[in-house]
Amino acid sequence: QVQLVESGGGVVQPGRSLRLSCAASGFLLTDYSLHWVRQAPGKGLEWVAGLSKDAENEYYADSVRGRLTISRDRSKNTLYLQMNSLRLGDTALYYCARDWVMDVWGQGTTVTVSS
Amino acid sequence: QSVLTQPPSASGTPGQRVTISCSGSRSNIGGNAVNWYQHLPGTAPKLLIYNNYQRPSGVPDRFSASKSGTSASLAISGLQSEDEADYYCATWDDRLNGRVFGGGTKLTVL
Repeated sequence: QVQLVESGGGVVQPGRSLRLSCAASGFLLTDYSLHWVRQAPGKGLEWVAGLSKDAENEYYADSVRGRLTISRDRSKNTLYLQMNSLRLGDTALYYCARDWVMDVWGQGTTVTVSS
Repeated sequence: QSVLTQPPSASGTPGQRVTISCSGSRSNIGGNAVNWYQHLPGTAPKLLIYNNYQRPSGVPDRFSASKSGTSASLAISGLQSEDEADYYCATWDDRLNGRVFGGGTKLTVL
């Protein structure tokens, strides 16, 4: 069964770090581009970061560039989002998604940045 | 402020046909394929349309989409109560070098 499962969310203070994980099953991450998308409370979907299929190219929204890093571990078939220098505005439900068309999504993991 | 502009809300009665617009520019919709997603908050978004008008398997043919120039639209015919959700358009933006979503349209079935 093709599935993505996010984990790693939690409550963190501004300026601290957090790493989100997205475990894939039923397919190989190396066969697709991969993405993180978030939804802040009461807001719409916002694309955050993308990783090309060959992992050679990373793409970021202006709002997170320099603070968030997307990566994957081929051996664990898992996608990551390293989140540094977190801000109040990063509070959101974070989804991972497969491929540029985003045909498969996880259920999301919640990140709350609060002092 | 989203790069892609959608109406914040739309509504219709069961059986009706509704359309949702998505307006962009040459750097995004004008040169790239548009996808549409259905989303119930707190659940995983669902891909409805990819490559401007193509439906993934399992998506009813009540859902259709088109693109012209720098605008795209999603049409839902034979509206059903379970269609009540948020709908988003998305595409690549050459200037931003990243994916962009519309602000979303909340569809209410009256």
